[in-house]
Amino acid sequence: AQSVTQPDIHITVSEGASLELRCNYSYGATPYLFWYVQSPGQGLQLLLKYFSGDTLVQGIKGFEAEFKRSQSSFNLRKPSVHWSDAAEYFCAVGRNTGFQKLVFGTGTRLLVSP
Amino acid sequence: GAGVSQSPSNKVTEKGKDVELRCDPISGHTALYWYRQSLGQGLEFLIYFQGNSAPDKSGLPSDRFSAERTGGSVSTLTIQRTQQEDSAVYLCASSPGTRGIADTQYFGPGTRLTVL
Repeated sequence: AQSVTQPDIHITVSEGASLELRCNYSYGATPYLFWYVQSPGQGLQLLLKYFSGDTLVQGIKGFEAEFKRSQSSFNLRKPSVHWSDAAEYFCAVGRNTGFQKLVFGTGTRLLVSP
Repeated sequence: GAGVSQSPSNKVTEKGKDVELRCDPISGHTALYWYRQSLGQGLEFLIYFQGNSAPDKSGLPSDRFSAERTGGSVSTLTIQRTQQEDSAVYLCASSPGTRGIADTQYFGPGTRLTVL
């Protein structure tokens, strides 16, 4: 079965500092990987996704993620965090065959300090 | 264009009552998903529709939960005899349905259900 682990429940980063949110997945084949963001009072918004090809994926709002098959990881990064990035971030994995559902991690809440 | 809309935005009900939650997907999207977001459980998949059929109901937690979709558009999630553990935010998402899981799923704002 697919599963996603986000080991950090909360992370606090100073504004302007770099950010890395960790995501590890369990899946038997090449997964479809996603990062979503949920801002307070907002719905989930897709930041980026990876299916194949270049393992470094660029997304919206200056975010990027790198797929590392050997580590079963898909970590999200941003070189310089803005206060508006404070939100909850969810990593998700989907199968590329069969039923089409996303399996989400439990999320990482990002706090940005001044 | 309009995004995914859900109604009501908030629902407070008494234990044992039935509730209906509604989802209006983006026009033209054939795939529709229901998820539940609750404390301690994160986001969990409930059911997936392609058109009016539901090939995957594997996430429905009990037979008190059911969902239907009519006309390939609006979907209703029904919870019968609500229990306190049903309290959660219920999220709906839609996607074009042309590339399967590769399609971006667009989420609605959710319905917050509180069972007293």
